[in-house]
Amino acid sequence: AAGVIQSPRHLIKEKRETATLKCYPIPRHDTVYWYQQGPGQDPQFLISFYEKMQSDKGSIPDRFSAQQFSDYHSELNMSSLELGDSALYFCASSFGPTSSYNSPLHFGNGTRLTVT
Amino acid sequence: DQQVKQNSPSLSVQEGRISILNCDYTNSMFDYFLWYKKYPAEGPTFLISISSIKDKNEDGRFTVFLNKSAKHLSLHIVPSQPGDSAVYFCAAGDSGSARQLTFGSGTQLTVLP
Repeated sequence: AAGVIQSPRHLIKEKRETATLKCYPIPRHDTVYWYQQGPGQDPQFLISFYEKMQSDKGSIPDRFSAQQFSDYHSELNMSSLELGDSALYFCASSFGPTSSYNSPLHFGNGTRLTVT
Repeated sequence: DQQVKQNSPSLSVQEGRISILNCDYTNSMFDYFLWYKKYPAEGPTFLISISSIKDKNEDGRFTVFLNKSAKHLSLHIVPSQPGDSAVYFCAAGDSGSARQLTFGSGTQLTVLP
């Protein structure tokens, strides 16, 4: 079965550079979520989109922005990168405007961002 | 303030025995709960979920128990297999408002052959 696809798998950037992470949800899933997992931490919610509109916002820095496109894929744009942005970034998708016990989030394998 | 807590960072179990992973939550607005399994270099994989209107949900070797009064849930794996060795995350959600999950910090399960 098709899963959530994230690209790239690994990304190395220098401080103050920009980065773009991409996420392709499971077919027919219309909601996308972005999570950040720092070393030794649990995944922290950043932002989500339903039908191309932002549906919820978590602890996403102002330096980051994201959008969902007409084909439901999403991109997370990160500018003025800082060392503390080094983390694993997960994208997840689900069907419908709200996640629930019978419409759980399905995660991609993540993008590991290293800022040097 | 951590709303979902997994107090055991690690657990070791002999193959064939039962693994019990625990999770506590504080937000009484949470009305569904999920367990995810994560292998290194992979994303979390959905395992099993439960709605707050139930106290038990079973899927093969995996059973989740929910005690709403104690704000506690647990995942039982019987029998445990070496391939079950992974980090297990408990997650909770409020279907009435925010569309995002709150995760626990995870428990590393090691099943010894």
